[in-house]
Amino acid sequence: AQKITQTQPGMFVQEKEAVTLDCTYDTSDQSYGLFWYKQPSSGEMIFLIYQGSYDEQNATEGRYSLNFQKARKSANLVISASQLGDSAMYFCAMRETWDNAGNMLTFGGGTRLMVKP
Amino acid sequence: DTEVTQTPKHLVMGMTNKKSLKCEQHMGHRAMYWYKQKAKKPPELMFVYSYEKLSINESVPSRFSPECPNSSLLNLHLHALQPEDSALYLCASSQGGVGRGEKLFFGSGTQLSVL
Repeated sequence: AQKITQTQPGMFVQEKEAVTLDCTYDTSDQSYGLFWYKQPSSGEMIFLIYQGSYDEQNATEGRYSLNFQKARKSANLVISASQLGDSAMYFCAMRETWDNAGNMLTFGGGTRLMVKP
Repeated sequence: DTEVTQTPKHLVMGMTNKKSLKCEQHMGHRAMYWYKQKAKKPPELMFVYSYEKLSINESVPSRFSPECPNSSLLNLHLHALQPEDSALYLCASSQGGVGRGEKLFFGSGTQLSVL
């Protein structure tokens, strides 16, 4: 079963407008972490924002905020005031269990965001 | 310095060739990762090194051979690859702790084409 689902393969947004990228997840763990990464055409995966399952406040990082709804198992990314440079692939990822073996991230299928001037 | 550097950026190899991908970080991170990413797909974990020991091998074929010579370097040795192995190979690192919020820092990847 897919653990991370991103239902929007592609989205357009007008420059300077806000956009929400959807992410739902499936886990039976009580303690987990949710991440969003941006991948421009250059290939590098750029960390954007993190939300812990026990965090009571929604995470924010500059123009990025995470709309975390634990009961619904959703962790949507909100980008405010879109810029042309925001055009990229966006991946939601989850870490369920952690130990000294490292950080096991499971990625969703991604959403391609295109910002229109 | 918050960079993960991968070389080469592009690699074309034949099925009988032997080549290596290199990854370097100087952030003092103790966990390093190899991911494989096919076009229009999410990254898939291949290997994890934790404190220079291989801790996770996600059932990767033996034609891929990882090596971690020291805490800053990670190699992926390639031998007798198949055309379906053509993909973007991403290296990443993290501090190596057990915190659930530990983030991965990725390199720009090596775009590999197997002919």
